[in-house]
Amino acid sequence: SQTIHQWPATLVQPVGSPLSLECTVEGTSNPNLYWYRQAAGRGLQLLFYSVGIGQISSEVPQNLSASRPQDRQFILSSKKLLLSDSGFYLCAWSLRLGAFFGQGTRLTVV
Amino acid sequence: AQSVTQLDSHVSVSEGTPVLLRCNYSSSYSPSLFWYVQHPNKGLQLLLKYTSAATLVKGINGFEAEFKKSETSFHLTKPSAHMSDAAEYFCVVSPYSSASKIIFGSGTRLSIRP
Repeated sequence: SQTIHQWPATLVQPVGSPLSLECTVEGTSNPNLYWYRQAAGRGLQLLFYSVGIGQISSEVPQNLSASRPQDRQFILSSKKLLLSDSGFYLCAWSLRLGAFFGQGTRLTVV
Repeated sequence: AQSVTQLDSHVSVSEGTPVLLRCNYSSSYSPSLFWYVQHPNKGLQLLLKYTSAATLVKGINGFEAEFKKSETSFHLTKPSAHMSDAAEYFCVVSPYSSASKIIFGSGTRLSIRP
């Protein structure tokens, strides 16, 4: 069966520190992969989208970057976190018949 | 191009009364449509999905949705609201090809009054 793993579940980081959130998918190959952010009380904002290894589309200019070093691995990074980077981050993958989500990471930048 | 519109940002109903969350879509191809629920500080959970089989789709927790091509709608309903239904609900269109992205609606916050 297809599963998606996202970690960590919660994270508290100081301003200016680096960030690395990882997402891995099992049970499928060549999925489309996504990183979303949800600020408090807001909807889901698409940050990055990938259709294959090394292929990343950035939807909004920001302090974050994404990489896809392997087919089923998607990493969200930042060199220096800002207070405005706080939020709930969701990894997702999709095929024609569905979209599947990780459990999310609650990031608090202090 | 595909798009999805959730017509209400917030819906409030009394416990035991019906729930209607509205979703309209736009797609040049036969879409796959989904409803997800997000409880506070939680991830997204799939409620139900339509993938070109039966137009009336039944999901978990008593929810169901009807795909109406003529109205380009996929509204979510439940006959009787429960306090535990209070959450954020997202309507989603799934890509018709590997080059397309999943499209989220902006979400509807459902509140339940005692």
